[in-house]
Amino acid sequence: AQTVTQSQPEMSVQEAETVTLSCTYDTSESDYYLFWYKQPPSRQMILVIRQEAYKQQNATENRFSVNFQKAAKSFSLKISDSQLGDAAMYFCAYLNDMRFGAGTRLTVKP
Amino acid sequence: NAGVTQTPKFRVLKTGQSMTLLCAQDMNHEYMYWYRQDPGMGLRLIHYSVGEGTTAKGEVPDGYNVSRLKKQNFLLGLESAAPSQTSVYFCASSYPAPGYTFGSGTRLTVV
Repeated sequence: AQTVTQSQPEMSVQEAETVTLSCTYDTSESDYYLFWYKQPPSRQMILVIRQEAYKQQNATENRFSVNFQKAAKSFSLKISDSQLGDAAMYFCAYLNDMRFGAGTRLTVKP
Repeated sequence: NAGVTQTPKFRVLKTGQSMTLLCAQDMNHEYMYWYRQDPGMGLRLIHYSVGEGTTAKGEVPDGYNVSRLKKQNFLLGLESAAPSQTSVYFCASSYPAPGYTFGSGTRLTVV
C-alpha cells in the first residue's frame, strides 16, 4: 500500500522562530496534489497549503511554505515567524490515495 | 455556508448498541468519505463514495456500513458497537476541486 510518513511525532519551536515539519510519500503517479492540514485543539481540520506535483515552484501561503522534492517524494512544511496560534497537530496528506500521515504535534513556546 | 455538517458531535454507546452518524454537505461535491482518527495513527479511511448510490471500502471497514442514497448525505452505521470503535470520526467531501472539506468530527465512546 502506498504510504504517507511523518517521521516527527512531536516538534517544538520558540515563538517567532522557524520550524520545518517533514513528510515523505510513496506513489507511482506523476500528476497529483499534496496537502498539509492543521488540527488545533478545537478538532477542526483546516487546510494550510497545497502543492500541485506538476508545478516546479514551491507553494507559499503567508508564513507557510513547502519544500517539494518530487524525485525524492518529499514534502516538508516550513512555518516562519511561529505564533502561539500555530500550536496544533499537522497532517500531511496524499489524497489521490485518500491517505494521511500519522501527524506531527507542534508546540510553540512563548 | 454550512459546508460539511456532522451529527452528533458527541455520543456514548454501550457495547452492542447501534447508531448512525450523519454527514451532510451543501457544496454539491461528488465524493464523500468517512475517516476515524486515533492517537498516533492519523486519519484512516473507513468507507468512501464517488457518487450518489455508490460506496466502497477503505482501509478499516470492518464493523461499519455506509449508505449514500442522496448526493448530499453520507451515513455511517455501527450495527453492534465495540470498545475498539471508540474514536473520533470525520466526514469529508471533495471534487471537483482538489482537497477535502471536513466536518467538525464526532467523538464516539463505546463503554
